[in-house]
Amino acid sequence: QQQVKQSPQSLIVQKGGISIINCAYENTAFDYFPWYQQFPGKGPALLIAIRPDVSEKKEGRFTISFNKSAKQFSLHIMDSQPGDSATYFCAASSGISGTYKYIFGTGTRLKVLA
Amino acid sequence: GAVVSQHPSRVICKSGTSVKIECRSLDFQATTMFWYRQFPKQSLMLMATSNEGSKATYEQGVEKDKFLINHASLTLSTLTVTSAHPEDSSFYICSAAGDSYNEQFFGPGTRLTVL
Repeated sequence: QQQVKQSPQSLIVQKGGISIINCAYENTAFDYFPWYQQFPGKGPALLIAIRPDVSEKKEGRFTISFNKSAKQFSLHIMDSQPGDSATYFCAASSGISGTYKYIFGTGTRLKVLA
Repeated sequence: GAVVSQHPSRVICKSGTSVKIECRSLDFQATTMFWYRQFPKQSLMLMATSNEGSKATYEQGVEKDKFLINHASLTLSTLTVTSAHPEDSSFYICSAAGDSYNEQFFGPGTRLTVL
């Protein structure tokens, strides 16, 4: 119940295309859903995050869509660029236990072709 | 944005020695710090959660005596890998959370190689 399932494992997109990464969870206590971008040898960097009281959040070329009833959320990268080539992780956390630990998805390796 | 630093960025040590990794929040007070371990092409695995002035809470399967965590101040946490062995070689990443407990800011990571 603590798992966050992420798909696809890898993704190849043409420059200018839309990259879509999906995550699903079981624990209804999760109340914060961030997406992180990680380049090789670097720490993850927060891209965008959403809480379950909204169904969509957009920041620049990045959009999170959230479906509370389906317990799914996704990251859309519009106008994908070669510089977006990285590994993307979704995560979920809950404040109920007081620790706000992140449960990470397994990651998606995105490659954007020039 | 909030900045978290780690030192060193990479370290190579001999088997049996201990290695200390520092994690600092540079421009905010970190109520909680987290330590993760990441193997190549894998996700981040939470090792422990630490609150300033308290003992760290370790995840199941993580050896407390091997991975010593100290959160001495609101801006500094350290991870000491004791009696390191080659299987401890990994990428260690810390994160820090401030007033907005949900949001974690990650450090750049430390690459540990044990020979």
